[in-house]
Amino acid sequence: DTGVSQDPRHKITKRGQNVTFRCDPISEHNRLYWYRQTLGQGPEFLTYFQNEAQLEKSRLLSDRFSAERPKGSFSTLEIQRTEQGDSAMYLCASSLKQGEAFFGQGTRLTVV
Amino acid sequence: DQQVKQNSPSLSVQEGRISILNCDYTNSMFDYFLWYKKYPAEGPTFLISISSIKDKNEDGRFTVFLNKSAKHLSLHIVPSQPGDSAVYFCAALDYGGSQGNLIFGKGTKLSVKP
Repeated sequence: DTGVSQDPRHKITKRGQNVTFRCDPISEHNRLYWYRQTLGQGPEFLTYFQNEAQLEKSRLLSDRFSAERPKGSFSTLEIQRTEQGDSAMYLCASSLKQGEAFFGQGTRLTVV
Repeated sequence: DQQVKQNSPSLSVQEGRISILNCDYTNSMFDYFLWYKKYPAEGPTFLISISSIKDKNEDGRFTVFLNKSAKHLSLHIVPSQPGDSAVYFCAALDYGGSQGNLIFGKGTKLSVKP
């Protein structure tokens, strides 16, 4: 499977715990995006990497969120001190150029 | 404020008929538009796109129409099939002014009945 891969698919955590998600983009794609989707909404942009550089962050990305793409390949998204409002589907997407982005299957986070 | 609006949360169509999904946008800087399809528990799948220099793009059963003056686009699916039942998201992009992050509508759930 050469698509975008996300791990884990599901994560249940207690409020206040830290969680980390991983995204493996399509191998030749230099652009990587993180989005968040809540019930009844479309995906909302969180952050963007071009290779290893984080070039854009949404105001949705609070101080508790951090993302990295250390070698310009896979990326991680960490949420510290999780809150119930963080419960959502976290989607990773990659692309070669602006326009069509290819999404992974997402990580569904439930904070209890 | 929503820059991309899909005002119909749901649409039900008979198999074989045409499905028309609508999308409106407010930001005149948007110049590239995409439609994604999403099944439950999966990520969105790219369907079709259109640049603002065109007013129509066709790919098999799927056609997207763009009316720039009305800031409106629509996705036509002909003929509709039960496998088309999914949530459809309209997305827009300011190609020259952004890093490629897409602005999505809230989606329209299409149900195609056999």
